[in-house]
Amino acid sequence: DAEITQSPRHKITETGRQVTLACHQTWNHNNMFWYRQDLGHGLRLIHYSYGVQDTNKGEVSDGYSVSRSNTEDLPLTLESAASSQTSVYFCASSESARQETQYFGPGTRLLVL
Amino acid sequence: QKEVEQNSGPLSVPEGAIASLNCTYSDRGSQSFFWYRQYSGKSPELIMFIYSNGDKEDGRFTAQLNKASQYVSLLIRDSQPSDSATYLCAVNKGATGGFKTIFGAGTRLFVKA
Repeated sequence: DAEITQSPRHKITETGRQVTLACHQTWNHNNMFWYRQDLGHGLRLIHYSYGVQDTNKGEVSDGYSVSRSNTEDLPLTLESAASSQTSVYFCASSESARQETQYFGPGTRLLVL
Repeated sequence: QKEVEQNSGPLSVPEGAIASLNCTYSDRGSQSFFWYRQYSGKSPELIMFIYSNGDKEDGRFTAQLNKASQYVSLLIRDSQPSDSATYLCAVNKGATGGFKTIFGAGTRLFVKA
């Protein structure tokens, strides 16, 4: 069955370190998204991609970067982790820009000390 | 003003009752509207989507959309304890918004047995 996976599921790191969160989907979806979820804020869009070599900034992109070298993967990099980036991170994918349903990965809990 | 507003709750209803969840949005160009359910510690999963004004029913769930009032709601009939979760309203902003999906902060629902 097609799926979307994230790794690691839990991560503890120190401020200033570079961290990369992996997202891999086997739906063959063009669109992939990264969100963070914090209490009281719901899901906030960090970066998104509508295809290979395409990346776009979301509403909370400062301190994060992504690259899309193939259809299946959209890794999220925290260039220099900050305590404010402690959060739960969700990756999602959808079939097309107009296609509405997003399928979410299981999430990564990140703690920055 | 947030782009998608929801009452954070918690909303508590007895088993068998109708739960009514509400959402308002600010962008009149929004085209697609979604309700996701998120159990504690889990990722969001789609319950329903609606594009046109009026009601859309799927089993115990009914989504209602009023574009003139910029209002979308979710009714859950015959509520069950297993419906206890956080319900996220999401709005796709269409072409003028780069097809980005904006999520509300969610409403926590408790169904008492």
